[in-house]
Amino acid sequence: AQSVAQPEDQVNVAEGNPLTVKCTYSVSGNPYLFWYVQYPNRGLQFLLKYITGDNLVKGSYGFEAEFNKSQTSFHLKKPSALVSDSALYFCAVRDRRGGATNKLIFGTGTLLAVQP
Amino acid sequence: SAVISQKPSRDICQRGTSLTIQCQVDSQVTMMFWYRQQPGQSLTLIATANQGSEATYESGFVIDKFPISRPNLTFSTLTVSNMSPEDSSIYLCSAAGRQGGNTGELFFGEGSRLTVL
Repeated sequence: AQSVAQPEDQVNVAEGNPLTVKCTYSVSGNPYLFWYVQYPNRGLQFLLKYITGDNLVKGSYGFEAEFNKSQTSFHLKKPSALVSDSALYFCAVRDRRGGATNKLIFGTGTLLAVQP
Repeated sequence: SAVISQKPSRDICQRGTSLTIQCQVDSQVTMMFWYRQQPGQSLTLIATANQGSEATYESGFVIDKFPISRPNLTFSTLTVSNMSPEDSSIYLCSAAGRQGGNTGELFFGEGSRLTVL
């Protein structure tokens, strides 16, 4: 069965410092990978996705993520954190086999807290 | 992208009652989904809302408890039936656009926050 793990419940970082939010997955073959952000009392917003090609994917708000097949990881990164980046971040996976079901399986989420 | 509107945005409900959540998308979409996000937890897929046919439910969710309708390509409803405090949660509608296929991202509504007393 496919699954996604986000090992950190919370990540704390000072404004201006680089940030990393970790994600590992367990899916047979090559999955499609996604990152979403959820601000307080809001729905989820799409940040970026990995489908194929370049392992480094750039997304919204200066975020990027690196697909690492050997480590089955898809960590979210940003070179310089902003206080406004403080939110809940979800990694998600979709198995590319089995047809276009479009179902996403989400990780448990990581709360990013950026201190001024 | 697709803009998804949900209502109600929040409600306080009495035990034993039922509530229907509406989801409207501003464009025709191929697939719509309903997720549940319990307090402090991740998103769990309840079902896929199929246009013109019965919804496809995930393990642990049944039609009698969560009846779903999808009369057309832009609208769906989720009913939470015979509610108990354990149903207190955020319910999120999501959709995949026609151009997305299997590689496309999902778009989400703002969610409906239900509190059952």
